[in-house]
Amino acid sequence: SQTIHQWPATLVQPVGSPLSLECTVEGTSNPNLYWYRQAAGRGLQLLFYSVGIGQISSEVPQNLSASRPQDRQFILSSKKLLLSDSGFYLCAWSEGQGGLEPQHFGDGTRLSIL
Amino acid sequence: AQSVAQPEDQVNVAEGNPLTVKCTYSVSGNPYLFWYVQYPNRGLQFLLKYITGDNLVKGSYGFEAEFNKSQTSFHLKKPSALVSDSALYFCAVRDFGPSGGYNKLIFGAGTRLAVHP
Repeated sequence: SQTIHQWPATLVQPVGSPLSLECTVEGTSNPNLYWYRQAAGRGLQLLFYSVGIGQISSEVPQNLSASRPQDRQFILSSKKLLLSDSGFYLCAWSEGQGGLEPQHFGDGTRLSIL
Repeated sequence: AQSVAQPEDQVNVAEGNPLTVKCTYSVSGNPYLFWYVQYPNRGLQFLLKYITGDNLVKGSYGFEAEFNKSQTSFHLKKPSALVSDSALYFCAVRDFGPSGGYNKLIFGAGTRLAVHP
């Protein structure tokens, strides 16, 4: 069966520091991959999605970036964190290209910026 | 543009009573609709989906949802609520945006369900 892993579970970083969050999926090939941010336990904001290695679509202009160096690995990065980057970051994957299949989520990383 | 609305921030239900969490949508074309549940400090868990076929869709944990095309609604229901059903519920619709984002979902703002003993 397929599984998705995100780490770390929690992270406290000072303003201006770099960031790297990693997400890996097991048990499937060529998944669609997504990064979301959830603020205050409510709505989800899609940050990036990828349909293949090296293919990244950015949804919201910001100081974050994403990379997909391997088929089942998705990385969220920043060179210099802002206070506004605090939040709950969720990685997700889905199969297929027609949007028929649901997205499956990891357990997230809670990021606090001091 | 596609959109989904969850008109209630919170729904309160007594344990054992039926529950309904409301969702309405606006899409161009056929809607692909999904319900998810989120427990504290966890990711979203998929409950059920409507793609085509029967208007009543059954999902995980005894939940079901009714697709109503004329009312553009996809309400989540359960005949008998449990305290353990207390969580945050999200409705989502597939994005048919001009960028061809067939793999993207548009999520509602979420509804917090509180089931009281």
